[in-house]
Formats: sequence, structure tokens, C-alpha cells
Amino acid sequence: GEDVEQSLFLSVREGDSSVINCTYTDSSSTYLYWYKQEPGAGLQLLTYIFSNMDMKQDQRLTVLLNKKDKHLSLRIADTQTGDSAIYFCAEIPPRDYKLSFGAGTTVTVRA
Amino acid sequence: DTEVTQTPKHLVMGMTNKKSLKCEQHMGHRAMYWYKQKAKKPPELMFVYSYEKLSINESVPSRFSPECPNSSLLNLHLHALQPEDSALYLCASSGGSAEVQETQYFGPGTRLLVL
Repeated sequence: GEDVEQSLFLSVREGDSSVINCTYTDSSSTYLYWYKQEPGAGLQLLTYIFSNMDMKQDQRLTVLLNKKDKHLSLRIADTQTGDSAIYFCAEIPPRDYKLSFGAGTTVTVRA
Repeated sequence: DTEVTQTPKHLVMGMTNKKSLKCEQHMGHRAMYWYKQKAKKPPELMFVYSYEKLSINESVPSRFSPECPNSSLLNLHLHALQPEDSALYLCASSGGSAEVQETQYFGPGTRLLVL
């Protein structure tokens, strides 16, 4: 995960929006991903964005990509207790197998 | 359907035991992966199989032995493990008819404890 950086913790009140940030270094990356991992579970693919896009929206999730600054963010609207999890940002170069993960952001939703 | 299944869910083994982890996908994916994940850390890639051939081995100790019997199945054979090998072992798959070939879909993992 040296090439992908994330803040480690985020605490958010139920009903508020959460914003998780990520920076990456590999300019050849084609796809950037957000995975969610709940306690004791595997990684669930939440969403991905192609590197020539600026934004992608999927229900409560909005992904923003600033390619110039190599900055990726995930916004979760109306955060619920079920959103408490670790969120991993990941990147992959084209036609490659090796996902580079960030360290993961632990999101805690408080009532 | 984007499901990868793994068995067993939990495994406890002694350092002299031999055991196997199993992974299965029916999405027509042509690449399958084994990852090791320690608590609160990102997954670390161990092996990649592409079209049933081992294409990446990330310098994993020989006490871990992968096997790909067919395009839907991936096994990880374990022998003479050490306590530090205790971790969550994740299987993933990608490719085939997926919209984005590189996108990896993960299974629920096998939580391994080595005593």
C-alpha cells in the first residue's frame, strides 16, 4: 500500500455524509476502486471509476476523481450504522493483476 | 451473479497438520487469486492464476502450495504452518465476461488459526 494513502479513521454521526479520501501515485492506473470490509467478512466491491472520469454516482455513493492531484474520494450520503466498516481504496494499472491497496479507513457511525 | 465462495469459513490447525482451503467461482472469470490479510491491514497478494496457470507467486513460503484444478476452482494446500501464518485468507477472481476485466471480486475468506 505504499502507493496509495488513506486517512486511518473517520467518525460520523448517523444521517450525516461521510467523505473518505485517498491519494495514489501511479499515473498509469486505469481503474480506481472502493471496497468495503465489515468485521469478519471479505471485501465487498462498492464501486469503481475509470481514470478518464471525474465523477460517478451510485445511489448513496458518489466517487470524485481529481486526476491532476491523483486524489480520489468516496462520499456516502445519509450514513447508516450498517456503513460502519473498513473502506479500502485500490488502484490497478491497465491489463495488470496487482491491485495496490491503501491502508484502509475505519468508519465508525455514532448515533 | 458476482459470487466467490470459500470453504471452510474457519480453520484451526496444528503446526504439523496438512489442510486445504477451497475457492470456487462460476462467473467465467479466467484469473483467480489468493490473498493473506492480517487484522486491520489491507490484503497482501500471494498467488495469481491466469487461465489455470500460475502467473504470479509473491515469494510465498513453500509451506503454502496453490493448485488450480480447473477454471472455476482454486485450492491452497497448507503444510507445516507457523503461528504467524494465522490470518484471513481471501480468494478473488477477475476477467472473463466482466465489464472491467481487471475488477477483482472477493470471497468471504477463511479465518485460519495455527496453534
